[in-house]
This record gives sequence, C-alpha cells and structure tokens, in this order.
Amino acid sequence: GENVEQHPSTLSVQEGDSAVIKCTYSDSASNYFPWYKQELGKRPQLIIDIRSNVGEKKDQRIAVTLNKTAKHFSLHITETQPEDSAVYFCAADRGSTLGRLYFGRGTQLTVWP
Amino acid sequence: DGGITQSPKYLFRKEGQNVTLSCEQNLNHDAMYWYRQDPGQGLRLIYYSQIVNDFQKGDIAEGYSVSREKKESFPLTVTSAQKNPTAFYLCASSITGMVGYTFGSGTRLTVV
Repeated sequence: GENVEQHPSTLSVQEGDSAVIKCTYSDSASNYFPWYKQELGKRPQLIIDIRSNVGEKKDQRIAVTLNKTAKHFSLHITETQPEDSAVYFCAADRGSTLGRLYFGRGTQLTVWP
Repeated sequence: DGGITQSPKYLFRKEGQNVTLSCEQNLNHDAMYWYRQDPGQGLRLIYYSQIVNDFQKGDIAEGYSVSREKKESFPLTVTSAQKNPTAFYLCASSITGMVGYTFGSGTRLTVV
C-alpha cells in the first residue's frame, strides 16, 4: 500500500516565525494530498489540500507545495501564532483506491509566545 | 456537531468484554472509516466501507468487527480478541471519489 512518511515528529517555533512540515509518499498514482490539524482532545480538521495537477496552494497563512517528481509535499505556516499549536497530519490517497487515505504519523507543533 | 456523531465519548471495558462504538452521519456520505489513534502512531485504519452491506479490512482489523446495514451508521465492535484496545477511536466519512474526510469527535476506550 501507500507509505507516507512525515517529518519532523515535533517542531517548536517562536511566535511569528515560520513552520514547515514535510511528507513523502511512495505511490506515484496518488493524486490527492490533504493536511489535517488536530488540537488536543479534538477531532482532526481539514485545513488545506492539494491535487496532483497543482504545484502550490495558499490559504491566508498556510500553504502547501507538491513535487510529484520527488514524491513529496510540504505544509508551510507563516507568522505562527500560539493557536497554531496542534498535531498536524499529512495524508495521501492511492489513486485507484477510492476514498481511502494513508496518514503520516503526525507532527506536534508548539508555538511559543 | 459537524454531521458525524460518535458515542460514547468515553468508554471503559473490562477484560474479556466486547464493546460497541457508535458512529452516525447525516451528511449523505457513501464511505465511512474507523481509525485508531495511539500516541506517536498517527492514524491507523481498522475498517472502511464504501457502500451499504460492504466493508473492507484496513491495516489493523484483527480483534475488531463492523457492520454497515444503513448508509448513516457504521458501528465498530471491539472484541475480546483485541489484546490492547485502549486507544482513541475516530470515525470518518466522505463522498466516494472525493476523499476529503469529515471526522467525528472520537471515543476514548480504556480497559479497566
């Protein structure tokens, strides 16, 4: 099946700095790459996603980039705020397997005031 | 509450007992999923279902069972065969072919 690797597992930044989380995937047929944010004790929520026909997508302070050749995608958060502190998960589909997502292990982001 | 409801929020199980976790959605989504979350392990797929009366094993199905008798409901039974069931269980749903998930708020299961 698809193998999604996510790094780093923990990330600490100062408020106002940028944070970058990277993921790699193994299946070249994958074409959908969402990112989820999970605050402590809560459900994961979709924050941004990208499809394989797009190289970059932005939504205010967050952006995702995709390099299909290298099979990696990244989440970029600019001007971080303490409320950005959470666990972030990347995921990938597998093209032909409708609906199933394969998740990375998560990154605990801590933003210090 | 986001269209997908899990109950109960907390569940305690004695050794050797079967317990059933409920997941109901009113989003008219075809596909439903059960994930298990352990610290540092990310989200691991237990079972998923893309249509009523059909479901597939995920990566860690041993010790679990599911049913999909109605489109809205996808209950998960944690059987006594699951040796380490203490975890946070998340249910999710999506429209088949459009893979963005909506997650429930989770059930925290503890063996006592």
